[in-house]
Amino acid sequence: DVKVTQSSRYLVKRTGEKVFLECVQDMDHENMFWYRQDPGLGLRLIYFSYDVKMKEKGDIPEGYSVSREKKERFSLILESASTNQTSMYLCATSRGAGANVLTFGAGSRLTVL
Amino acid sequence: EDQVTQSPEALRLQEGESSSLNCSYTVSGLRGLFWYRQDPGKGPEFLFTLYSAGEEKEKERLKATLTKKESFLHITAPKPEDSATYLCAVNYGGSQGNLIFGKGTKLSVKP
Repeated sequence: DVKVTQSSRYLVKRTGEKVFLECVQDMDHENMFWYRQDPGLGLRLIYFSYDVKMKEKGDIPEGYSVSREKKERFSLILESASTNQTSMYLCATSRGAGANVLTFGAGSRLTVL
Repeated sequence: EDQVTQSPEALRLQEGESSSLNCSYTVSGLRGLFWYRQDPGKGPEFLFTLYSAGEEKEKERLKATLTKKESFLHITAPKPEDSATYLCAVNYGGSQGNLIFGKGTKLSVKP
């Protein structure tokens, strides 16, 4: 089974802090994604990457950046955290091109005070 | 505007009481419709993919069907362990980024 590991399950940060969320997968999937999930809004795509050093904006990229230096690792960066970035962040991976199944990590719940 | 709408938002069933969850979509060029299950505090877990109208998939007490406008997730004789939020997602362009999630249906099954 593909394992998608998000290093931090719960984080509490202050407004203005820089936040790193890391995601590591162990099955050589090409594609990696960052979503946020909020009550009443569902899952929204922040960024995705289909190859090392490649990134594509999703629906809500503002206030976020990403880094993919190695195939297995995809990082989400909040340069200056704000309270409206309090959310559940989900990393996901998929194989190959086209409309394929996503495998999700357990999520990182971020609270920004 | 491309949209995915799930109904009802929440559903409470007694154990053994069969029912259906709905996912309607208004996208052009459907490339796949996905059902996921999400337990509290966890990431979504894949259940089914459907690609064309008339297609059906089954797994234990769950059966997913697809028409040109909507998909149903039928739950037969549910058990308390089926309690979860069920998410529907539609890929409309083939690219990995062209995926729209519905807001989910929270299912509670009481013993």
